[in-house]
Amino acid sequence: DTGVSQDPRHKITKRGQNVTFRCDPISEHNRLYWYRQTLGQGPEFLTYFQNEAQLEKSRLLSDRFSAERPKGSFSTLEIQRTEQGDSAMYLCASSLATGSGYTFGSGTRLTVV
Amino acid sequence: RKEVEQDPGPFNVPEGATVAFNCTYSNSASQSFFWYRQDCRKEPKLLMSVYSSGNEDGRFTAQLNRASQYISLLIRDSKLSDSATYLCVVISLGGSNYKLTFGKGTLLTVNP
Repeated sequence: DTGVSQDPRHKITKRGQNVTFRCDPISEHNRLYWYRQTLGQGPEFLTYFQNEAQLEKSRLLSDRFSAERPKGSFSTLEIQRTEQGDSAMYLCASSLATGSGYTFGSGTRLTVV
Repeated sequence: RKEVEQDPGPFNVPEGATVAFNCTYSNSASQSFFWYRQDCRKEPKLLMSVYSSGNEDGRFTAQLNRASQYISLLIRDSKLSDSATYLCVVISLGGSNYKLTFGKGTLLTVNP
């Protein structure tokens, strides 16, 4: 499978716990994006990497959220002290070049109870 | 004004109908434009890019009007399998970084 992989597919956690999601982009893609999508809304931008550099962070990304892409390949998104409002689908996308199509992973659906 | 706004929908049409979606964007410096399709509980998938000259892919036609800052998607002879949410996506340049901004999506249901 040469697409974008995300793990886990589903995560249920208790409020206050920390969670970490992983994204493996298409191998030759140097750009990687994280988005969050809630029911009835389009995906909202969270953060963006070019290689290992995190170039932009949305104000939606509170200080409880952190993302890394240590070797410019896979990325992790961690949410600390989860809140019920964090329940959403977290989508990762990658691309090779500006203006080209972006490929999304299947997403990680987070439910905070 | 939101960066990307779409027809609120939902659209319910019979098989064989022609349906059009519109989308407007606020950043006149936006670079690239796409339509994505998203099935229920699935990830968005690229449907087609949108060019100023207009482009067609089978039953789907996309148009871009830079002067009016709107994008459209026309689906002809709609099929049951076209039922999905259609997302308008705009790529904008912010500093040296490119960002995809999605519209809220328009839900289409094609009925037999």
